Amino acid sequence: KNEVEQSPQNLTAQEGEFITINCSYSVGISALHWLQQHPGGGIVSLFMLSSGKKKHGRLIATINIQEKHSSLHITASHPRDSAVYICAVTSGSRLTFGEGTQLTVNP
Amino acid sequence: EPEVTQTPSHQVTQMGQEVILRCVPISNHLYFYWYRQILGQKVEFLVSFYNNEISEKSEIFDDQFSVERPDGSNFTLKIRSTKLEDSAMYFCASSEGRLAENQETQYFGPGTRLLVL
Repeated sequence: KNEVEQSPQNLTAQEGEFITINCSYSVGISALHWLQQHPGGGIVSLFMLSSGKKKHGRLIATINIQEKHSSLHITASHPRDSAVYICAVTSGSRLTFGEGTQLTVNP
Repeated sequence: EPEVTQTPSHQVTQMGQEVILRCVPISNHLYFYWYRQILGQKVEFLVSFYNNEISEKSEIFDDQFSVERPDGSNFTLKIRSTKLEDSAMYFCASSEGRLAENQETQYFGPGTRLLVL
């Protein structure tokens, strides 16, 4: 079993739709990260959180430490949001990554 | 905005050859990391580095791999004798503080795509 599980693996949406990507983890963590990987391969950190909720523009990330679960929400999705979204957890001095969710937003 | 840079962007090598992948972390960062991503697979941790020492390494980081900070700016990953299965995208990252204690954000470089023939 993977230490970090994401769902869904693939997600296709129409522009404007509300999107949710889920992440569950099975190890003790100090923080959880949401990352975005563009088609060219570059990785950008979107959020780092250890409790509660964070918001940045149209992106919202929540975490429930007791349930070991986090969600990434995108409001009013846009084709430029199309990318792979990766959940990763901090344990020690390393990040452990999920498989990623491939999001495609169609115009 | 400061960024992590990596060179080369692409590297093709023959099996058994040594390769050195180079990274320039953000200047005031003290913690450095290497990750790899085999095509179609998830990103995997290789090694973390602080104060000129390896802090943590994964099972992947065997004796064929080594890291070095040869001067005040570069951070390198060396693969001594490359294998076909070393073909992957290699990402360098850096953070100002230690991930676990300070909940730091990591900044990733653009990656080096390594192809071993």
